[in-house]
Amino acid sequence: EVQLVESGGGLVQPGGSLRLSCTASGFTFRSYWMHWVRQGPGKGLVWVSRIKSDGKNTIYADSVKGRFTISRDNAKNTLYLQMNSLRAEDTAVYYCARETAEDGANYLDYWGQGTLVTVSS
Amino acid sequence: EIVMTQSPATLSVSPGERATLSCRASQSVSSNLAWYQQKPGQAPRLLIYGASTRATGIPARFSGSGSGTEFTLTISSLQSEDFAVYYCQHYNNWPLTFGGGTKVEIK
Repeated sequence: EVQLVESGGGLVQPGGSLRLSCTASGFTFRSYWMHWVRQGPGKGLVWVSRIKSDGKNTIYADSVKGRFTISRDNAKNTLYLQMNSLRAEDTAVYYCARETAEDGANYLDYWGQGTLVTVSS
Repeated sequence: EIVMTQSPATLSVSPGERATLSCRASQSVSSNLAWYQQKPGQAPRLLIYGASTRATGIPARFSGSGSGTEFTLTISSLQSEDFAVYYCQHYNNWPLTFGGGTKVEIK
């Protein structure tokens, strides 16, 4: 069974940093591209970032570019999101999600339960 | 960036009735369109990809159609477990973007 479990969320002051983790199981993690998607309180889904299976290629939404860094450790089956210079508008539940193995398609076939990040003084 | 617009924002439907949800893209996304279902406090679940292909384990009452800029998700006979928020997402290019969602509520 595919499982994605996020952790690392919490309360942080504006300008602060936080690192989220997503531990994967039930599939060959190193073979899949992975994403982070966030959802503000009472709002819709917003794509944040994607990393290729070998970790060598990443892409970000403009809203987080230069502040967030996606990475992975395939030996530990873990995806990360390092978030710096946090702003109030970054407050959201952050989901990690697996991209389908289908070539050239970027839909997300499994999602974790999410971790809440609150940016407030 | 491609803007995805969903309508209506809220759809009130009685159990057993048909629900039709719309998603419009600001430019063509071909058939690179997915639908997700999200229930309160839960993660999104993939329903449809390629505009019309049901994901593994998704009941046949869910169907998707469309291409280019106009897409539809149809739930043929609403069950109690189908009341949720539905999102469309294009994957034609970067960035990936989602629609604002349609909430399907009990009438």
